[in-house]
Amino acid sequence: QQPVQSPQAVILREGEDAVINCSSSKALYSVHWYRQKHGEAPVFLMILLKGGEQKGHDKISASFNEKKQQSSLYLTASQLSYSGTYFCGTDSTDSWGKLQFGAGTQVVVTP
Amino acid sequence: DTAVSQTPKYLVTQMGNDKSIKCEQNLGHDTMYWYKQDSKKFLKIMFSYNNKELIINETVPNRFSPKSPDKAHLNLHINSLELGDSAVYFCASSQALGQTYEQYFGPGTRLTVT
Repeated sequence: QQPVQSPQAVILREGEDAVINCSSSKALYSVHWYRQKHGEAPVFLMILLKGGEQKGHDKISASFNEKKQQSSLYLTASQLSYSGTYFCGTDSTDSWGKLQFGAGTQVVVTP
Repeated sequence: DTAVSQTPKYLVTQMGNDKSIKCEQNLGHDTMYWYKQDSKKFLKIMFSYNNKELIINETVPNRFSPKSPDKAHLNLHINSLELGDSAVYFCASSQALGQTYEQYFGPGTRLTVT
């Protein structure tokens, strides 16, 4: 079952912050985050494993609450290069190794 | 060096034809995948192979047949193409099968069935 992402889209000015949420109805082992720019392949950002750790990649960080089966991606002080569609991919404890991707969140960062 | 490559990049064909898409990775990874991304951007797994062995086979029509001649290559053959097969097909690879490994995606093959 696919995770649910929100919001569907967000428009930011450079320097603003945003949060993208990803929630699943299944118990999760891990959550992956990818970014896809228009016409390109998805690119890996980070993986969060069971254990509730928080990770960071430049000024993009994420958290994983395994009890709530939710993950959030934080875009801090956004840059123009952050524009793209962000996908969460969830790996549930009953379907080992099979990522289910959300519908994506389109992020547009304007000058 | 391109890590995961696919050919062709674009494929335009008529309904009923048979076509193949090829994928190669030079990362030394054990696991490879095929994903389909439709016009609404949904990215859905179709197949995964680990060391040439089929591991994941989602509910995909029998017209789709993957083949892995070795662990660096994963091809996708599609028979009797239908309009609904139009999509972008991505190949991906990961170091191994499991929940902790990041996936590297190829550039995609845009298939248009007319």
